[in-house]
Amino acid sequence: GAVVSQHPSRVICKSGTSVKIECRSLDFQATTMFWYRQFPKQSLMLMATSNEGSKATYEQGVEKDKFLINHASLTLSTLTVTSAHPEDSSFYICSATDRGLSPLHFGNGTRLTVT
Amino acid sequence: DAKTTQPTSMDCAEGRAANLPCNHSTISGNEYVYWYRQIHSQGPQYIIHGLKNNETNEMASLIITEDRKSSTLILPHATLRDTAVYYCIVRASQGGSEKLVFGKGTKLTVNP
Repeated sequence: GAVVSQHPSRVICKSGTSVKIECRSLDFQATTMFWYRQFPKQSLMLMATSNEGSKATYEQGVEKDKFLINHASLTLSTLTVTSAHPEDSSFYICSATDRGLSPLHFGNGTRLTVT
Repeated sequence: DAKTTQPTSMDCAEGRAANLPCNHSTISGNEYVYWYRQIHSQGPQYIIHGLKNNETNEMASLIITEDRKSSTLILPHATLRDTAVYYCIVRASQGGSEKLVFGKGTKLTVNP
């Protein structure tokens, strides 16, 4: 079945630094990738949708200059949390789809802790 | 906003069937019903999806009412590893770039 790999699984960084999270589709070409964020005891909240070769579409309330998304190839999308602050500490999850592939498959998430 | 309503939590005995209900009374004719589950600190795992016919795979069965306003996910023989949050989601297309909007889901606890 379709596999989505996310790296790193855990990261701890200091306040003010930037962190990059990678999301790869391992056995299919992901024309679209989605980035979600999940706070403790809450559901997944969609942050943005990225299409290969074009700018990401951000959900209302998500700062595009803070959460930089690059989808430069059909197998890789990256999310960079810039100038991270403790309130950015969360579980970040990506998912990917091919136009002909159903359904969406998810990575195993990245636990970000900002100290 | 999520277009589904699920009970907050359910319990099930190990080895018994777990029946998880979902209401989606405003579902449109072109919307599918998807089920995912999330085990603690992992990404969501796809379980099953359907449009109007009942579906079965190696993980579960999906029963959709004739009016499509509700559905039930059935785990025929629940194990302790099935303890997770189960999300019922309606989505407008079977593939393509349509996003998934998650509601609060049902926390299923399988007890020994």
